[in-house]
Amino acid sequence: AQTVTQSQPEMSVQEAETVTLSCTYDTSESDYYLFWYKQPPSRQMILVIRQEAYKQQNATENRFSVNFQKAAKSFSLKISDSQLGDAAMYFCAYRSGGNAGNMLTFGGGTRLMVKP
Amino acid sequence: GAVVSQHPSWVICKSGTSVKIECRSLDFQATTMFWYRQFPKQSLMLMATSNEGSKATYEQGVEKDKFLINHASLTLSTLTVTSAHPEDSSFYICSASISTGALNSPLHFGNGTRLTVT
Repeated sequence: AQTVTQSQPEMSVQEAETVTLSCTYDTSESDYYLFWYKQPPSRQMILVIRQEAYKQQNATENRFSVNFQKAAKSFSLKISDSQLGDAAMYFCAYRSGGNAGNMLTFGGGTRLMVKP
Repeated sequence: GAVVSQHPSWVICKSGTSVKIECRSLDFQATTMFWYRQFPKQSLMLMATSNEGSKATYEQGVEKDKFLINHASLTLSTLTVTSAHPEDSSFYICSASISTGALNSPLHFGNGTRLTVT
């Protein structure tokens, strides 16, 4: 079974600064997908960014980018120019390849606080 | 697009009663839906995978007779918590992926249901 580990229960960043959230995973599969989800106090799960394991290029979505190290099984999220609205729980998630029905396995989450 | 509606958003019930939570995909068909449970300040734990027209697949440790799942159509899955007890109080979230979606399609989540059993 796959496992996802987020080693930072809490992180803090100054507004406008950059922060990196860590995520490692364990799998024997070669085909899989990785996601970062944001969960604000409303508890709605919001997709931040996704990465296909077969792609070497790191995904980028505006201020959000990832550092995907397949050999090291690492998938960190970098948030640039942090904003107050970025404060939330962030979950790293793993999904097996194969079909669109496969479930997500989540890491334990990192609570991000943004200081004004 | 790709909206998942979950109802109710919160419910309070008495111990021993049953509660039904609905999860609907509003603008897409979902052969498979997933039910997660989230305790305060914790991550999402998969409870079961709901498959349209067939029996749900439950994760280890989840009582299938207590958490009844029905996926009668491509747009609706329901989770019924039977004979609820205070320890069933939690946040329940459903999610779905588009049946004909690409392999990297993300799961789309409902807004969750906060269940409190008194």
